[in-house]
Amino acid sequence: QVTLKESGPALVKPTQTLKLTCTFAGFSLSTTGMRVSWIRQPPGKALEWLARIDWDDDKFYITSLRTRLTISKDTSKNQVVLTMTNMAPVDTATYYCARSSVPGDFDYWGQGTLVTVSS
Amino acid sequence: DVVMTQSPLSLPVTLGQPASISCRSSQSLVYSDGNTFLNWFQQRPGQSPRRLIYNVSNRDSGVPDRFSGSGSGTDFTLKISRVEAEDVGVYYCMQGTHPYTFGQGTKLEIK
Repeated sequence: QVTLKESGPALVKPTQTLKLTCTFAGFSLSTTGMRVSWIRQPPGKALEWLARIDWDDDKFYITSLRTRLTISKDTSKNQVVLTMTNMAPVDTATYYCARSSVPGDFDYWGQGTLVTVSS
Repeated sequence: DVVMTQSPLSLPVTLGQPASISCRSSQSLVYSDGNTFLNWFQQRPGQSPRRLIYNVSNRDSGVPDRFSGSGSGTDFTLKISRVEAEDVGVYYCMQGTHPYTFGQGTKLEIK
């Protein structure tokens, strides 16, 4: 059974760095074709893909946030970590992690974690 | 980046009636290998998104057969043959070439 769960702080201050962890089960990120992405959704707004890490450690980022994002994986712990620097109130959103596998993307999603940026 | 444009953004539907959502991309989604990576997601109120359709027309396991996807190139459609109460939510299309982009979402409600 594939599951993903996001964890991290519910509240961060402006300018701080956000660290989110996606802990997953039911698959291995060392298996060819497996990928994990982070996607966010501001309250009442649409989904926005942020970053992806692949089984071979290839990494991809949304262009507009490229300088603020870092994605990494710990295969032994079944975790993917996203860090986002210089947080601002506009970054307030629910952050999801989602799996991609052959043949399609985002077949499984976590429950999401709401991050509020406020002083 | 590829821009995904959905219409309508709001879709009131009577129970038992069909519904259709359009999704247009700013450029062709046909990949170099011949595949077209266009997915549809459903997000019920208070829930995480759930994938319904992948690669234009492939229904995910457990998705009722009243949902169908079609299209090619830059024009795609999600159809619900007979809307049920559990279909209320927001529907998103998404293109699957880097960088991934989603449509604005279509909110389906019952009249």
